[in-house]
Amino acid sequence: GAGVSQSPSNKVTEKGKDVELRCDPISGHTALYWYRQSLGQGLEFLIYFQGNSAPDKSGLPSDRFSAERTGGSVSTLTIQRTQQEDSAVYLCATIGLANTGELFFGEGSRLTVL
Amino acid sequence: AQTVTQSQPEMSVQEAETVTLSCTYDTSESNYYLFWYKQPPSRQMILVIRQEAYKQQNATENRFSVNFQKAAKSFSLKISDSQLGDTAMYFCASWQGGSEKLVFGKGMKLTVNP
Repeated sequence: GAGVSQSPSNKVTEKGKDVELRCDPISGHTALYWYRQSLGQGLEFLIYFQGNSAPDKSGLPSDRFSAERTGGSVSTLTIQRTQQEDSAVYLCATIGLANTGELFFGEGSRLTVL
Repeated sequence: AQTVTQSQPEMSVQEAETVTLSCTYDTSESNYYLFWYKQPPSRQMILVIRQEAYKQQNATENRFSVNFQKAAKSFSLKISDSQLGDTAMYFCASWQGGSEKLVFGKGMKLTVNP
């Protein structure tokens, strides 16, 4: 597609439920990132996929968080047993072919855990 | 470790005035890139300007320019002739090729008043 697409745009869930957030990257962009943006905070790195390499999961805050990327394209971020502190905007981004750090972001998925 | 610091959480400016947003960073690498991103209320992160560390010349994009002081590890953004549409969160970010991660500051909320 023309840009990075994320769904759902907004998600409200109850504490303890599982949620899945989806990211459709720009076609041909092999590197994909997930960031979390909590209210009033900067962007916190979560996970990074690059081609067929093992993902860099160093930013995942707990084992309730996981992500996968199927076929080098669509990525899903899963949060199990959601907690109120998981409420945030989850941003997906891909990197251009020049690999100079310029990220192309989706509009994010706002997660609210009640 | 890579760090980016934005010490001003919030600023306001009158339309048509000039405003400078400050950012400092720390990196052990000699090859890195610096960015300013804008996030309007729509949540879409938009690249404002990019600076390659190996370039001495300050980057300029229309009304946006940077003051890159490599020795001081300072990277400020100057917005000239501020417009209402410049109202947004502004994030400074650093990219090191070795880590392949974009590290963000906490952001600064800029309000342009009519």
